[in-house]
Amino acid sequence: GENVEQHPSTLSVQEGDSAVIKCTYSDSASNYFPWYKQELGKGPQLIIDIRSNVGEKKDQRIAVTLNKTAKHFSLHITETQPEDSAVYFCAASKEDTGRRALTFGSGTRLQVQP
Amino acid sequence: DVKVTQSSRYLVKRTGEKVFLECVQDMDHENMFWYRQDPGLGLRLIYFSYDVKMKEKGDIPEGYSVSREKKERFSLILESASTNQTSMYLCASGGETQYFGPGTRLLVL
Repeated sequence: GENVEQHPSTLSVQEGDSAVIKCTYSDSASNYFPWYKQELGKGPQLIIDIRSNVGEKKDQRIAVTLNKTAKHFSLHITETQPEDSAVYFCAASKEDTGRRALTFGSGTRLQVQP
Repeated sequence: DVKVTQSSRYLVKRTGEKVFLECVQDMDHENMFWYRQDPGLGLRLIYFSYDVKMKEKGDIPEGYSVSREKKERFSLILESASTNQTSMYLCASGGETQYFGPGTRLLVL
């Protein structure tokens, strides 16, 4: 089955700096790569996703890049703010007859220091 | 707004007890999922269901079962709770995008 590795496990940055979280996946058939943000006491929430036919996607201060050849994808957050502090999870999946189960990475705890 | 609710935020149970975790979604999603979240391990899929009365094993189904009698409700059952099932349990529903409930933190003593 799919295996997703995520690094680093913790990341501390100063407010205004950039943060980068990296993930690798094992199954070359995976074609969908979402990123979820989990705030304290809440369930994870989708913040951005990318499909295998796209190399990069941006949404305001966040961007995701995908390298299919190397089987890795990254989340980039620019101009970090204290409210970006959370746990971030990458995930990978492939559609199987309309059923899409996600395999998650181990998570990155991001702390933005004011 | 999509809403996924879980019956309890915190539960304390004894070893050997039968435990029911309930999840309800209000978006008419066909797919529903149960995950377990542990520090350093991320979210691991226990079971998922793609239709009423249908279920499929995820990566760590041992010690768990599920029930989906109605489209909006998906239950996770621990037949005989053990201490190694102490964890955060997250329910989700959706297709490509999954919507998560707030989680149930279960402590098995």
